Amino acid sequence: GESVGLHLPTLSVQEGDNSIINCAYSNSASDYFIWYKQESGKGPQFIIDIRSNMDKRQGQRVTVLLNKTVKHLSLQIAATQPGDSAVYFCAENFGPTGGGNKLTFGTGTQLKVEL
Amino acid sequence: SAVISQKPSRDICQRGTSLTIQCQVDSQVTMMFWYRQQPGQSLTLIATANQGSEATYESGFVIDKFPISRPNLTFSTLTVSNMSPEDSSIYLCSVAGTSRDTQYFGPGTRLTVL
Repeated sequence: GESVGLHLPTLSVQEGDNSIINCAYSNSASDYFIWYKQESGKGPQFIIDIRSNMDKRQGQRVTVLLNKTVKHLSLQIAATQPGDSAVYFCAENFGPTGGGNKLTFGTGTQLKVEL
Repeated sequence: SAVISQKPSRDICQRGTSLTIQCQVDSQVTMMFWYRQQPGQSLTLIATANQGSEATYESGFVIDKFPISRPNLTFSTLTVSNMSPEDSSIYLCSVAGTSRDTQYFGPGTRLTVL
């Protein structure tokens, strides 16, 4: 079946640098996307979301970019801090008619912040 | 967002036994979900917990193995039945936010089956 995948399983960055985590999705019917952060021993934490009628959305230190042409999603973290070290998941929602509000998760990227 | 708690936070169980995991939300929510996260892997949806009716299971998950209850809009349980070591995972409940799209997760229950 269709799935959401990530290009890089592990990403190491220096503290203070910007991080970019990528995600490819294959379902063109997906209309809503979420990025989650999961720290060790914890449940996934909502970071930011974006709907398919947008191509960019900004939060505090984070930006999500959506390129529907190539079915690509990215999460940019500015001035990466040690507390950003975690596994990051993208998730897609096929919409109420396609998925009934269910989320399909990508494989995850481990972000390691080096001091 | 809603505050979600799960009990137990972790457990070690013997094969062949069953464990019931509780999920409690501090406000009424329309939709609740149960996920499994195997070691080092992503999240897989087990089922949607429906209030007042039988849960809706995803492909590969069956009610006999993962019975689910949802007696009201703030509480749900997931039972992992007749456990084997392959059931060792983190089990997570989530709830749909007011937009019905966004999901918020509980802290998870870490299950080890010996």
